[in-house]
Amino acid sequence: AQSVTQLDSQVPVFEEAPVELRCNYSSSVSVYLFWYVQYPNQGLQLLLKYLSGSTLVKGINGFEAEFNKSQTSFHLRKPSVHISDTAEYFCAVSWGPGNFNKFYFGSGTKLNVKP
Amino acid sequence: DADVTQTPRNRITKTGKRIMLECSQTKGHDRMYWYRQDPGLGLRLIYYSFDVKDINKGEISDGYSVSRQAQAKFSLSLESAIPNQTALYFCATSGPNYNEQFFGPGTRLTVL
Repeated sequence: AQSVTQLDSQVPVFEEAPVELRCNYSSSVSVYLFWYVQYPNQGLQLLLKYLSGSTLVKGINGFEAEFNKSQTSFHLRKPSVHISDTAEYFCAVSWGPGNFNKFYFGSGTKLNVKP
Repeated sequence: DADVTQTPRNRITKTGKRIMLECSQTKGHDRMYWYRQDPGLGLRLIYYSFDVKDINKGEISDGYSVSRQAQAKFSLSLESAIPNQTALYFCATSGPNYNEQFFGPGTRLTVL
């Protein structure tokens, strides 16, 4: 069965420090990978996505993620976080081939940026 | 105006009541989804629809039903609400390339 694992439920970090949020997924021939961010009392918005091509994907707000097929991972990184990055982050996966029509979400990681 | 809207945004109801949550979109997408979000569990898929005549169950469809009234409208019903259906509910749409979902602002439902 497909699964998406975000091992860290909460990540505290000081402002301007680097951060990595981890995401692993169950193996498949082909996948689409996504990171979404949810600010308090809001819906989810897309940070970045991997569909094909370069394994290093850059998104909005200075975030990037790297697709590692051998480790079935898609970790999210930012070299220097801001207070405004405080939010919950969700990794999502869509498996193929022929079934890129359902999205499976991890349990979320709450990023708490401290001054 | 928002591309994906949900009504109501907040609802408190009692056990046994019938509740309908509505979702409308102006993105012209065929694919629409209903999720529920619970703390520590992420988003779980309740139902999804690829067009007006195509409705599919997701991971946790028990206790829920849906109606796709038009391409732009997808409603979620709780026929007889129970307290463990207290959650944040999201509607989402997806375009023809499956390469992104667009979410509504969510409906916070409390069942007493």
